[in-house]
Amino acid sequence: ILNVEQSPQSLHVQEGDSTNFTCSFPSSNFYALHWYRWETAKSPEALFVMTLNGDEKKKGRISATLNTKEGYSYLYIKGSQPEDSATYLCAVNNDMRFGAGTRLTVKP
Amino acid sequence: DGGITQSPKYLFRKEGQNVTLSCEQNLNHDAMYWYRQDPGQGLRLIYYSQIVNDFQKGDIAEGYSVSREKKESFPLTVTSAQKNPTAFYLCASSILRLGANVLTFGAGSRLTVL
Repeated sequence: ILNVEQSPQSLHVQEGDSTNFTCSFPSSNFYALHWYRWETAKSPEALFVMTLNGDEKKKGRISATLNTKEGYSYLYIKGSQPEDSATYLCAVNNDMRFGAGTRLTVKP
Repeated sequence: DGGITQSPKYLFRKEGQNVTLSCEQNLNHDAMYWYRQDPGQGLRLIYYSQIVNDFQKGDIAEGYSVSREKKESFPLTVTSAQKNPTAFYLCASSILRLGANVLTFGAGSRLTVL
């Protein structure tokens, strides 16, 4: 079982701000990291799956990086919009245990 | 359309009663998962199954039971032994391939114990 930690627990930003948050995990026995976005009243949706050290993925204004040697991934949101408000979850490897999530609120 | 269906969406239970939450998928996924969410918390893994007739306990399996008699179905029973069953329950499924097992989630079931 890999302990996945996410920080911060919650985040409030103004519309237009860029922001980032972290998923940390033990670097041994790693093979994949998943990011999901969970909007209120909806089901969680997959954002990225990352496997390689140094990998960087991008979807619109959202991007993620991965450092498997030191055991962390950053999720970045450029120019936050109110529709980005959601809980962002990460999970590591195939047993799909999630961190506690980062709840992002973007104020208009 | 392929997807994953959970029912019921809302369920009320009296203390001491067992209830079963349904989860059905037509995505031909091998793996299925049950999670629980409590207010202000993330998703905690209850049980998962990677193959028919086999399943593993997650982090909070006590007071729950599952079965996987068919590939498409993974029902969760919340038993009277579960001390605090009021929560939101999510079912998910995925293919089984290292690093590519992206989860597809159902819409969830909200259980309230009266």
